[in-house]
Amino acid sequence: DVKVTQSSRYLVKRTGEKVFLECVQDMDHENMFWYRQDPGLGLRLIYFSYDVKMKEKGDIPEGYSVSREKKERFSLILESASTNQTSMYLCASSLYEGLDEKLFFGSGTQLSVL
Amino acid sequence: TQLLEQSPQFLSIQEGENLTVYCNSSSVFSSLQWYRQEPGEGPVLLVTVVTGGEVKKLKRLTFQFGDARKDSSLHITAAQTGDTGLYLCAGGSNYKLTFGKGTLLTVNP
Repeated sequence: DVKVTQSSRYLVKRTGEKVFLECVQDMDHENMFWYRQDPGLGLRLIYFSYDVKMKEKGDIPEGYSVSREKKERFSLILESASTNQTSMYLCASSLYEGLDEKLFFGSGTQLSVL
Repeated sequence: TQLLEQSPQFLSIQEGENLTVYCNSSSVFSSLQWYRQEPGEGPVLLVTVVTGGEVKKLKRLTFQFGDARKDSSLHITAAQTGDTGLYLCAGGSNYKLTFGKGTLLTVNP
């Protein structure tokens, strides 16, 4: 089975702190993603990566950056955390079967910024 | 911008009842996926439908893709408490997935 592991289930940080969210996948997938999930807003794509050292902005990249130095690891960075970044963060990796992309999600990190 | 509207937003039923949830769009998708997300976990892929009119069954769950590939439905027969969760649909087009906001289903014992 595909396993996507997020380093923390719960995280509490202070406003202005630099925050690192780590994600590791064990299936040699090319593509990796970071989403945030908020009540009433659904899943929103922050950044994604199609290869090592490659990154693309998603729908809401402001306030975030990412790093992909190794194929299996995709990190989300909040340079200066703000209260409006309190959210559930979900990492995913994917594979294509034909034209269909299938996402495999981690269990999520619930981040609270105080 | 492609949008997927899911309805109802919330659904609370008794164990043993049947239910249908919907996923609608004005856009055409090459494929439609359904995910279930249990409390405290990430979404898990249930099924992908790719052909207009396609019907797929997964035990008590029946998924249908609309003929025009703009909408989909998920029907659950004889719901169980283990079906409780957030059901998300996601439309695929041009190598990009668009998610709906989900239907939160609660099945009461």
